[in-house]
Amino acid sequence: NAGVMQNPRHLVRRRGQEARLRCSPMKGHSHVYWYRQLPEEGLKFMVYLQKENIIDESGMPKERFSAEFPKEGPSILRIQQVVRGDSAAYFCASSAQRANYGYTFGSGTRLTVV
Amino acid sequence: DQQVKQNSPSLSVQEGRISILNCDYTNSMFDYFLWYKKYPAEGPTFLISISSIKDKNEDGRFTVFLNKSAKHLSLHIVPSQPGDSAVYFCAAISGNQFYFGTGTSLTVIP
Repeated sequence: NAGVMQNPRHLVRRRGQEARLRCSPMKGHSHVYWYRQLPEEGLKFMVYLQKENIIDESGMPKERFSAEFPKEGPSILRIQQVVRGDSAAYFCASSAQRANYGYTFGSGTRLTVV
Repeated sequence: DQQVKQNSPSLSVQEGRISILNCDYTNSMFDYFLWYKKYPAEGPTFLISISSIKDKNEDGRFTVFLNKSAKHLSLHIVPSQPGDSAVYFCAAISGNQFYFGTGTSLTVIP
């Protein structure tokens, strides 16, 4: 009964490269949420997706960031042309339905841009 | 614009005593509040929640209190144990989004 799986755990990218972060939700969960934790800050909402649909992307930066949750496979958070300010821990969470309770988080991907 | 605030970045408590973690919020439309616990290199783990229509919820050693008029939330851990040492985030729900505080690092001293 695997939990939310995120990979890679650590990702190092040079400025200008692309970062792809993967999130496999818990079995049976069709709702995925991405959060970002910048140094010295709390978790900030980025995007909420259901299978093949973006429900709420109000927390996503307008440029360079995109997310998808295809019918098959994991959810992907993609950051193009990374900059140093993108260095953060990116957490994914999933739920079976819209979460009114605590949903389950993955262990996160720590992105370092050098 | 931080809608959920945890003004104490750290707290140290002796084992067996009470830990009180505080949280303030600004949005009166929040309808659900939660506490998460986070160990280093792990994702946050749900701990306890409270609906905005209640003022107290208890689960074992953990009790959450909600004071809507003061827009204040607190988590009480009694008795505190060394294994409780972690970062605690409070969060509030509005629509599809969770709004998290910046966390309080709790250290329980054996």
